[in-house]
Amino acid sequence: EAQVTQNPRYLITVTGKKLTVTCSQNMNHEYMSWYRQDPGLGLRQIYYSMNVEVTDKGDVPEGYKVSRKEKRNFPLILESPSPNQTSLYFCASSFPPGGELFFGEGSRLTVL
Amino acid sequence: LAKTTQPISMDSYEGQEVNITCSHNNIATNDYITWYQQFPSQGPRFIIQGYKTKVTNEVASLFIPADRKSSTLSLPRVSLSDTAVYYCLVGLTTDSWGKLQFGAGTQVVVTP
Repeated sequence: EAQVTQNPRYLITVTGKKLTVTCSQNMNHEYMSWYRQDPGLGLRQIYYSMNVEVTDKGDVPEGYKVSRKEKRNFPLILESPSPNQTSLYFCASSFPPGGELFFGEGSRLTVL
Repeated sequence: LAKTTQPISMDSYEGQEVNITCSHNNIATNDYITWYQQFPSQGPRFIIQGYKTKVTNEVASLFIPADRKSSTLSLPRVSLSDTAVYYCLVGLTTDSWGKLQFGAGTQVVVTP
């Protein structure tokens, strides 16, 4: 089954404790991206990747890092989480970049 | 990036047709227009994509006028299960390959 898998689905953490949200897709898509969703603000792109080792900033990259060492994986790293990063996060992939985006089920992160 | 503007919410009754218009005045020549549907606590799901004129699939139609500065998603004969947030996305440009900007979305509520 074609899918995008995110982990963890839910996480409560404390300020400053580094965390990683993993994202994996099994569709051999070159394009992957991360979004955060906050009430009233819709989906905002954090980072995207056109292919392995090719990443770039979206609209809200501050406080986040990403890496793309393998085609299927695109982890989102919060080096020092802060409460304003409490949000619902979605990973998505597609081929090509403007084609149909396949989203993961989301990761709800709470930073205390 | 082409900024998009959608109504915040729309109400409808079962069996009616729902039309959601998205404005994208600075759409670029290479931009496609894509619509997504999102249910609470789920990732968005692709509905339809188009470049110009009219596109129809089994769930919706997309109308794009000649100047392409707006587009209208049409949901025929909605049911309660069509209650969701609908997002208009304009992207795939040579200036921002991979950078995608969703609008705030339109909450559609269908009542019996």
